Formats: sequence, structure tokens, C-alpha cells
Amino acid sequence: DQQVKQNSPSLSVQEGRISILNCDYTNSMFDYFLWYKKYPAEGPTFLISISSIKDKNEDGRFTVFLNKSAKHLSLHIVPSQPGDSAVYFCAAIIGGSNYKLTFGKGTLLTVNP
Amino acid sequence: SQTIHQWPATLVQPVGSPLSLECTVEGTSNPNLYWYRQAAGRGLQLLFYSVGIGQISSEVPQNLSASRPQDRQFILSSKKLLLSDSGFYLCAWRLAATDTQYFGPGTRLTVL
Repeated sequence: DQQVKQNSPSLSVQEGRISILNCDYTNSMFDYFLWYKKYPAEGPTFLISISSIKDKNEDGRFTVFLNKSAKHLSLHIVPSQPGDSAVYFCAAIIGGSNYKLTFGKGTLLTVNP
Repeated sequence: SQTIHQWPATLVQPVGSPLSLECTVEGTSNPNLYWYRQAAGRGLQLLFYSVGIGQISSEVPQNLSASRPQDRQFILSSKKLLLSDSGFYLCAWRLAATDTQYFGPGTRLTVL
């Protein structure tokens, strides 16, 4: 049972345009969400997070939106740069004493110059 | 600041050989530690986690084991590797009162 789903295995955008990466989840117990960026042969790098009590969090070019009713979150990158080309993982957390982090399978973003 | 190290960076081992991967964290105390595996074309699979010295929880039954001999050291082992153990192994840490996990650089294991 895949509780965190990234339905697009890949996405290609032009440099300077917006990249939108999507993630859906099924478990209403998730209360914290994160996005990681991963280059080949490297560990994932934490990018941005959002608590379930918020609907938006922004950090520079990166914005994460959360729609709890739809159980959907998205990562917007504006403007996209070639260095943003990587695999992006969505992750969801059940916090507290029963802490559990669940990852999606990732989306490969390619930003073309 | 905190840093996390993993070694070796790459490893090629024959089937049936033993394995020992090491992870160490600097700059923090009593972290929660995690071992993940990313197999080719798949997502991140949690293998083990530890909330303290000598405390190991296994998420997936398999021929791997983990140990935490010191507060900031986490070791992944196997007595006999299988072809299916090939993958990219990642160690991660977090502070117990927080939610975000931080990952190490990973070890690429190829079993031939």
C-alpha cells in the first residue's frame, strides 16, 4: 500500500519557467511533509517542509503548497535553473512517539537550458 | 553544525561475502539513526532505525542486521550477501524532538 504517491516519474521544463512537482497521500495521520532533492550517487538533501496546519511555505525559489482536503501537495520552483535537475522525493511524516517517515518514489526533473 | 559520514562510498562484493557499512554523525548527541536502501528504479526503503545505543528496530526482514555500538555510530552488516542486496545504502539522522531527517552521502553496493 503506497501511502505517498508521486505519479509523474519524470518532468521536463525549460530554464526560467516554473516547475511543478506533485505528490498525493492517502494517510490522514500525516502531519508534516518534506521535499528532498537528490543528485545521482549522492544522499537526498532536505529542501523544504510544511506542517499540516499550514497551506503554504516559501523559501526563495521554492514554494510548497498543501491541500489537506485533497490530500495533495506540490512543490513549485520558480524560476527553474539547470542546476535544479535532480530527483525530487516527497515525504510524509507521522510525528510524535510513533514517528514514521514515508517516501514517494521520486520525480526526475530535467531543466533544459 | 552537524555532519554525517558514510563509508565506504562504493563497494563491490561477491555473493556470499560479508558486509559492514559504517555511518557516523558529528555535532549532535543522541540522534535517532536510520538505514535506508534505494534499489535500482525504486524509492527509499527503510531498513533499520535506532533511538539509542544498542536499540535497533527492523522494518524489513532480510539477511541484513544493524548495530549501534556508540551514540553516533550506526553499522549495517551482513554475514552473506545476496545479489538482491545490491543498491544504494543511505544513513540518516534526526533529533528526537524534530521531524526532519538528514541524509549521508550514501554507499553504492554492487553484489556480483
